[in-house]
Amino acid sequence: KQEVTQIPAALSVPEGENLVLNCSFTDSAIYNLQWFRQDPGKGLTSLLLIQSSQREQTSGRLNASLDKSSGRSTLYIAASQPGDSATYLCAVRRILGGGADGLTFGKGTHLIIQP
Amino acid sequence: ETGVTQSPTHLIKTRGQQVTLRCSSQSGHNTVSWYQQALGQGPQFIFQYYREEENGRGNFPPRFSGLQFPNYSSELNVNALELDDSALYLCASSLRLGEADTQYFGPGTRLTVL
Repeated sequence: KQEVTQIPAALSVPEGENLVLNCSFTDSAIYNLQWFRQDPGKGLTSLLLIQSSQREQTSGRLNASLDKSSGRSTLYIAASQPGDSATYLCAVRRILGGGADGLTFGKGTHLIIQP
Repeated sequence: ETGVTQSPTHLIKTRGQQVTLRCSSQSGHNTVSWYQQALGQGPQFIFQYYREEENGRGNFPPRFSGLQFPNYSSELNVNALELDDSALYLCASSLRLGEADTQYFGPGTRLTVL
């Protein structure tokens, strides 16, 4: 059974700092890994998707890496801004039979950027 | 905005009742998945549909059922509601089930069971 763990559970940093969010998963037979952002009471916004054959993806101030062999991913946020405050969720999609399974999520990292 | 819409936004039911939640996928997407998110938790996978057929299911009892229609919109039905069914229900669509296919989520339906 796939399990996803995110560390830390919560993080509060001053504006402008660079930060790293961590995600680990137990089953390395994954299709892909996605990072999402969730604002309070809202749906999920996809930030980055890393395919199983890829090592990293970048979008603006965000960079996500994937190390399948060790079951780890990191999300790097450069020059943090108060608007980055949200819960960040990591999710993996397993390979299952002839196709892909649903996403398995971690519990998220609640991020607060202090102005 | 992802183009995925869900209705209703909020819903209050009592224990034992039945509920139907609806989802409209992003245009051109033939895959839809449903997730349950309890307060303070990550979303849990309920099931997914590909071209109107269920082709994956998480650890949820049979009283959670669904449909996908020819226009790729979808319904989630929950029978015999229990207090623990109170949660945010999220629908997600994707173009296909491929490795590069991002799942796009709707805003969710907040279900409260009293």
